[in-house]
This record gives sequence, structure tokens and C-alpha cells, in this order.
Amino acid sequence: EVQLLESGGGLVQPGGSLRLSCAASGFTFSAYVMSWVRQAPGKGLVWVSSVSTSGGTTYYADFVKGRFTISRDNSKNTLYLQMNSLRVDDTALYFCAKGLIHMPVWDWGQGTLVTVSS
Amino acid sequence: EIVLTQSPGTLSWSPGERATLSCRASQSVSSSYLAWYQQKPGQAPRLLIYGASSRATGIPDRFSGSGSGTDFTLTISRLEPEDFAVYYCQQYGVSPWTFGQGTKVEIK
Repeated sequence: EVQLLESGGGLVQPGGSLRLSCAASGFTFSAYVMSWVRQAPGKGLVWVSSVSTSGGTTYYADFVKGRFTISRDNSKNTLYLQMNSLRVDDTALYFCAKGLIHMPVWDWGQGTLVTVSS
Repeated sequence: EIVLTQSPGTLSWSPGERATLSCRASQSVSSSYLAWYQQKPGQAPRLLIYGASSRATGIPDRFSGSGSGTDFTLTISRLEPEDFAVYYCQQYGVSPWTFGQGTKVEIK
């Protein structure tokens, strides 16, 4: 059974930083593109970032480019999202997603909540 | 950026009825890289349909997808009580990978 377990969310002040992690199990992690998708409270789904199987190629939505960094450690089956210069409108539930880059999101984690507020 | 517009925003149906949800793209979606997801309150989304018309593993056959180019449809042939949820379409052919705004299927 595929499991994606996010952690690292919390309350942070504007301008602050957080690092999200996603521990994956139940599939060959190194064989899949991985992504982050977020959902602001009461709103729809928005793609944030994706990383290739090796970690060598990354993709970002324009609204996070230069602030967020996606990475992965295939030896630890873990996906990361380093979020810097956080803004109030980054407040959202952040889902770890197995897939994207010419494939759908096959599986989703339950999400970790990031709240940016003073 | 490919903008996906879903209609209607909210629709009410009775259990047993047939529901048809629409997703229109601002430009052609390459190779039918179009997916549909279901999301219930407090839960993560779940993949229903990919490649515009292929059902994901474990999805009941009352769910079907069709369309190509810029017009896509999700059909639920007979609504079950557990089908009342929000449905999103998504294109994964061209970055940025975008989602529609969602259609809420409510109980009438």
C-alpha cells in the first residue's frame, strides 16, 4: 500500500521559513516523479513544484520560484520542500503527490498545514 | 498557462441520477493528458480518470471520462451517496500543470 506521510507544517511569521518532508513507502520511490500541491482553506488545488526521479530536474510554479526549493533523497525515500520568504498567501494545506510531469497524481498524502501569520 | 474552466460550479442531483461534469481548456491539452479527481471534505483528492478516459485502479465503472482537445467530460452514470463530493479536472501535459476550480456535486 502506498503511503505518503507529510510533516513539517506549522505556524510561521511572514518572511519566515519552513521545511516540509514527505516520507514515502509502499512503492519504488526512486522510479516516480514527485510533487507538491497545495490547497488554501476553502479553495481549489494548485500545483506548486515537481522533481524528476533523479532529482536533477525541478519545476516550480511562478508564484514560488526563487522562494521554494524542492529536493528528494532516494536513499531515504523522502521528498522535501524548503520554503523561504513565506507570505500570508502561502497559507495552505500542502499535499505530497506521487506523479506529475506528463503523468497524473497517482497517490496523495493527507497533507500538512502551513499557516503564515503575524 | 492552460486555464481549465469547470462547469457548473455547484450542481444538485438525487441519488441514482446521471451526472455530467464539464471541463474546458483554454488551449488544446496534448495527448489527452487530462485527469479527474474526487475530493471529499477533510480528505485528500483521489484519482478517478487519467488520459481523459482511463479509470484508475479500483474506480467503479459508473465513472467514465471522455473528450479531447479542449473539451472534456466526467460522467457518473448512477449517483451513489458516497459520490457527493468536489471534482477537479487537471491537465498534466504542459507546465505549469493546472487544475480546474472544481465542481461540487450536492445531494438534491
